[in-house]
Order: sequence, then C-alpha cells, then structure tokens
Amino acid sequence: QKEVEQNSGPLSVPEGAIASLNCTYSDRGSQSFFWYRQYSGKSPELIMSIYSNGDKEDGRFTAQLNKASQYVSLLIRDSQPSDSATYLCAVSGSARQLTFGSGTQLTVLP
Amino acid sequence: EAQVTQNPRYLITVTGKKLTVTCSQNMNHEYMSWYRQDPGLGLRQIYYSMNVEVTDKGDVPEGYKVSRKEKRNFPLILESPSPNQTSLYFCASSPYPGQSIYGYTFGSGTRLTVV
Repeated sequence: QKEVEQNSGPLSVPEGAIASLNCTYSDRGSQSFFWYRQYSGKSPELIMSIYSNGDKEDGRFTAQLNKASQYVSLLIRDSQPSDSATYLCAVSGSARQLTFGSGTQLTVLP
Repeated sequence: EAQVTQNPRYLITVTGKKLTVTCSQNMNHEYMSWYRQDPGLGLRQIYYSMNVEVTDKGDVPEGYKVSRKEKRNFPLILESPSPNQTSLYFCASSPYPGQSIYGYTFGSGTRLTVV
C-alpha cells in the first residue's frame, strides 16, 4: 500500500464548477498536510497547509482534514482554466519527512 | 528574492560521465532535500540534509551522492549516470523538516537525460 494515495484522474470540470481532489494516507502519526500545485514542466508550488481536523479556507481553496479516516481533500470553488494543473498531496509522517502522492491532473474546461 | 536555485535547467549526458547538479538557497534554511519526479511515480526523495554535514538517504538513493559543506548549498552528484536516472530533479528547502507550518520551497528543476 502506498503511503499517500490520490485519485489518479485525470479530472475534468467545467469552468465555474467545484473541483474536488482527494488524498488518503497510511501513517496515523502524520500531523502536517499540504497541497501543492504543479504546472506542466514547472516546480511544485505550495497552495494550502492544514494541521487540525476540519476545514481551512483560503480564497477559492478549501482544505479538509479527517485524521480518524486518514483523509485530506482540496476543494477548488469557481474553477478557472488557470487552475488546470497537477495537484500533489504531501503528508508529514512520524519520520518528519514529506511524502508526496503521485498527483491528480485537473483540467478546467472553458 | 527568496529562492532555491538549481543549475543546470537541462542536461543531456552520456552513460558513465560524472555530473553534478547544483542547488543553492538564500533563505538560511536548515533543511534541504533532493527529489526525482517520474511519470506515474510522483516525487521520490533521493537524499536529504537536516543541517551542515548531516545527510541521510531517502527512498531512492542508489546511484547518487550528496554533500552539505555549507548551509546554503546541497549539490547532487551522479558518479556514473545510467539511462534509468533520466528524470526531472528538484531540490527543495525548508526552515525545519517535516512537522512544521512550513512546506518546502522548490527549485525550478533540472531535466536530465542520460543516453
């Protein structure tokens, strides 16, 4: 079992819709969770971090964390074509290293 | 500007010819790390460093070497590159590793092709 798993996609949503990206992790000792956005050929860019159960909102982005279910998600409201990218989930486990999922490719259709 | 600088951005080399990819950060970060990214496999950690003179293996260290003689620099060395090391490489840094409010800052990447 992979330590961090993401729905592999690709995921397509129409412009203005809500995009939902999901991630599960195996290490129950994990305490820090991150979402990165990566445009094709570019480096990952940190867009959200979350540490406590519940929701965290930042503009059009909402991260959701459920430690009991070992589940973290990212919602993108009012999706724009510029949101088209690969989204990487990263989890800081008990070894204090960031482990990344393989990413979900999102396409927002105009 | 706070950044992680990698060089070169693109490199084509031949099997067995030693090469070094440089990484430098200007943020006085304690932690630095190297990743490779391959299609379908995501980011896999090669080596990391908690501080000067402290380095440790990540998930895929075979065929690579690193050193951390200065806080700002963390070069990746391929002593005898092979075609299976063809990949996109990223250097990353963080004020503190893992459990912190900080994520990682990534360099722009180095696309390496070994023929």
